[in-house]
Amino acid sequence: AQSVTQLGSHVSVSEGALVLLRCNYSSSVPPYLFWYVQYPNQGLQLLLKYTTGATLVKGINGFEAEFKKSETSFHLTKPSAHMSDAAEYFCAVVYNFNKFYFGSGTKLNVKP
Amino acid sequence: EAGVTQFPSHSVIEKGQTVTLRCDPISGHDNLYWYRRVMGKEIKFLLHFVKESKQDESGMPNNRFLAERTGGTYSTLKVQPAELEDSGVYFCASSQDSGVSSYEQYFGPGTRLTVT
Repeated sequence: AQSVTQLGSHVSVSEGALVLLRCNYSSSVPPYLFWYVQYPNQGLQLLLKYTTGATLVKGINGFEAEFKKSETSFHLTKPSAHMSDAAEYFCAVVYNFNKFYFGSGTKLNVKP
Repeated sequence: EAGVTQFPSHSVIEKGQTVTLRCDPISGHDNLYWYRRVMGKEIKFLLHFVKESKQDESGMPNNRFLAERTGGTYSTLKVQPAELEDSGVYFCASSQDSGVSSYEQYFGPGTRLTVT
């Protein structure tokens, strides 16, 4: 069965510090990869996605992620955290027929 | 353009009762999906409609769950009778009809279902 692992259910960083949220998937077939963010009382919002082409993808709000096939990873980074980045982040993969497999989510806390 | 909307935002029902959740996808999106997140765990796929047809319902937990999409527009998800383990957040998503764009799913805010 396909699975997505997000290391760390809670991550806390100081404002201005590097944000690194980890995501690994289990498959020998490269999937399409996504990061979604959920702010309190809102729906899931697409941050960025990798389908084909350049393995370093840039998303909204200064986030980026790099697809590393050899490591089956798609970690999300942002050079400098902002208070408004506090939210829950979900990594997701899709192989065929549009069925998404999500990780269990990582709550990001940003300290002033 | 309006996004995916879901109603109600929150529902509290007693065990054994029936609840119907509604999802209105983005206009023109043929693909509609239901997902569920239980108690802070991963968001799990329930089913996928293409227009009014069920493309994949492999994630439906059991026959107490019934999803419909009459006319290929909005969809309903009925739980009857509800059990305690059905509590969670139910998300709806939609995407365009084909190609790479079909993989980009737009999610609604979710319906938080609490069964007591």
